[in-house]
Amino acid sequence: GENVEQHPSTLSVQEGDSAVIKCTYSDSASNYFPWYKQELGKRPQLIIDIRSNVGEKKDQRIAVTLNKTAKHFSLHITETQPEDSAVYFCAARGYIPTFGRGTSLIVHP
Amino acid sequence: KAGVTQTPRYLIKTRGQQVTLSCSPISGHRSVSWYQQTPGQGLQFLFEYFSETQRNKGNFPGRFSGRQFSNSRSEMNVSTLELGDSALYLCASSLSQGGDQPQHFGDGTRLSIL
Repeated sequence: GENVEQHPSTLSVQEGDSAVIKCTYSDSASNYFPWYKQELGKRPQLIIDIRSNVGEKKDQRIAVTLNKTAKHFSLHITETQPEDSAVYFCAARGYIPTFGRGTSLIVHP
Repeated sequence: KAGVTQTPRYLIKTRGQQVTLSCSPISGHRSVSWYQQTPGQGLQFLFEYFSETQRNKGNFPGRFSGRQFSNSRSEMNVSTLELGDSALYLCASSLSQGGDQPQHFGDGTRLSIL
């Protein structure tokens, strides 16, 4: 089955810095790659997604890149703010959705 | 537009009992998926329903089952509860079935097994 590896597990940055979270997947049939943000005690929220026919997508301070050949995709957050602090999950969707183990992002004021 | 609604929010059961969780999708959404979230295993896919039919299934034992009604509402049932079933159970809905459909999650049902 699909396997999704996510790194790092914890990321600590200063406010205003950029943050990058990386994921790799194993199933070449995967064609949809969403990213979710989950604050403590709250539901996962879809923040950005990318389909396999696109290499990059941007939404304000958030961007996602996809390298199908290497089977990896990354989340980039620029100008981080304290309210960006949360756990971020990547996912790859082939036959079924498979999630990474999450990255705890801490943004220090 | 109301979001995905899950009931109950919290549930405490003992080993051997069974439990039924409910999920009402966003209005107009016809696909409902269920997930189990634990600190040890992370977010794991249980199953997906569309048009009252289970479309695909994750790697969970047969004690975990579900169904979907004609109004797209879904229920998940877990029988013969085990301590390891303690988890946050999340429901997510999307407009239709398909691997590239954005999913929107509910707040989840926190199930504790004593």
